Amino acid sequence: DQQVKQNSPSLSVQEGRISILNCDYTNSMFDYFLWYKKYPAEGPTFLISISSIKDKNEDGRFTVFLNKSAKHLSLHIVPSQPGDSAVYFCAAWDTNAGKSTFGDGTTLTVKP
Amino acid sequence: GAGVSQSPSNKVTEKGKDVELRCDPISGHTALYWYRQSLGQGLEFLIYFQGNSAPDKSGLPSDRFSAERTGGSVSTLTIQRTQQEDSAVYLCASSPGIYEKLFFGSGTQLSVL
Repeated sequence: DQQVKQNSPSLSVQEGRISILNCDYTNSMFDYFLWYKKYPAEGPTFLISISSIKDKNEDGRFTVFLNKSAKHLSLHIVPSQPGDSAVYFCAAWDTNAGKSTFGDGTTLTVKP
Repeated sequence: GAGVSQSPSNKVTEKGKDVELRCDPISGHTALYWYRQSLGQGLEFLIYFQGNSAPDKSGLPSDRFSAERTGGSVSTLTIQRTQQEDSAVYLCASSPGIYEKLFFGSGTQLSVL
């Protein structure tokens, strides 16, 4: 039973346009969410996070939206750049249980 | 270096052999995590340490897997009697405290022949 799902294995966008990566979860106990970016042969690097008490968090070109009622979060990248091409993982924490779960990742390709 | 260091970066072993994977976290980080990424899969949580103790070992795939952390710093993940399905990238991460953002190492690519 996969508690965190990234239903799109891949996404391709044109440079300068918006990239929207989606993540759905099933466990209502998740209360802290993060997005990580991973380049080949490197470990994931933290991108942006959001607590369940918020519905939006913004950091430069990156914005994460959380819809708790729909158990859905999304990452918006505007404008997209070729250097953003990577695998993006969403992760969810159940801080009371001390457990984190990652999605399977979405490969983003930004075309020049 | 200032980042999380993992060694070896690559390990090829024969089925049935034991392997040890090492993780040096960022100095001062109290929390340390082990994840596994099999080919084409997401990140699978294995175990985390708060200091030297591991509150939750339920993510370890079998009793062939064990991990320890000494001195609140270096951690070792040991896989006994390796099987081909153990082949994966093993990632270590650390954070200043639990539930904070994780800083990942580059991983150990384990191949079991």
